[in-house]
Amino acid sequence: EAGVAQSPRYKIIEKRQSVAFWCNPISGHATLYWYQQILGQGPKLLIQFQNNGVVDDSQLPKDRFSAERLKGVDSTLKIQPAKLEDSAVYLCASTIRDRGGASSEQYFGPGTRLTVT
Amino acid sequence: GDSVTQMEGPVTLSEEAFLTINCTYTATGYPSLFWYVQYPGEGLQLLLKATKADDKGSNKGFEATYRKETTSFHLEKGSVQVSDSAVYFCALSEKSGGYNKLIFGAGTRLAVHP
Repeated sequence: EAGVAQSPRYKIIEKRQSVAFWCNPISGHATLYWYQQILGQGPKLLIQFQNNGVVDDSQLPKDRFSAERLKGVDSTLKIQPAKLEDSAVYLCASTIRDRGGASSEQYFGPGTRLTVT
Repeated sequence: GDSVTQMEGPVTLSEEAFLTINCTYTATGYPSLFWYVQYPGEGLQLLLKATKADDKGSNKGFEATYRKETTSFHLEKGSVQVSDSAVYFCALSEKSGGYNKLIFGAGTRLAVHP
C-alpha cells in the first residue's frame, strides 16, 4: 500500500512570495489533515478535510493560508504572501474516515520543509 | 483547551539501557492517547496507542499505560537499540465539532550510542 505522498520535499522562498504544497493521501482515505511543525515543537493542526469539505480550519491563518481538496482526493496548501515565521515543516496526514468515535490511526507523509528568507 | 506536556530532550542513552520518556496531559473528557515516532528524514509513525484508562499500548518493545489518576502516559522500553534513535511525540485525541483532533507534545529526541 502506497503511503501519503507530498511534494516538494524542500522549498526555499523569500518573504512576501507565494508557495504551494501538494499532498496525495492513501487511497480510500476520506479524512485529510495539514499540520505545521515549527522546529522544536510538535505538529499543530492547520486544517482537516472530510472528503472535499472542511471540518476544522480554526487554526489556519486565513489571511495568508488557503487549502483545497476539490475532488476529495489530493489536496493543496498555499501560503500567500509568506512571512519569516512560516518557516516550518508542513505535514500531510490521512485516515480512513473520522466518524467522531475512537480516534483511528493517522498516516503521515514525509513533509515539506519550507524556509522563508 | 487540551494539552500535552512531555519531558525535554535530548535523552542520551547507551545501548541496552532502560528508557523512560514522561508524558502528562490535560483534557476534559476521556481522550485516546498515542505515541508517535519520527525517524530522521521520515514522517511520523504511530508507535502505540491506548483508548481508555488502564489500557497498555505496546509495540516493538515499547510500552505505555494510560493512567487516568495521574493523567500520564509515560513511554518505556527495557533495552534500547541504536536504531531507536528518533524523536518521540506524545499526543491525545480531542473531540472538536464531532471529529477527532490530535494535540501533540513538543517531542523528545532520543539518541542511543553503541
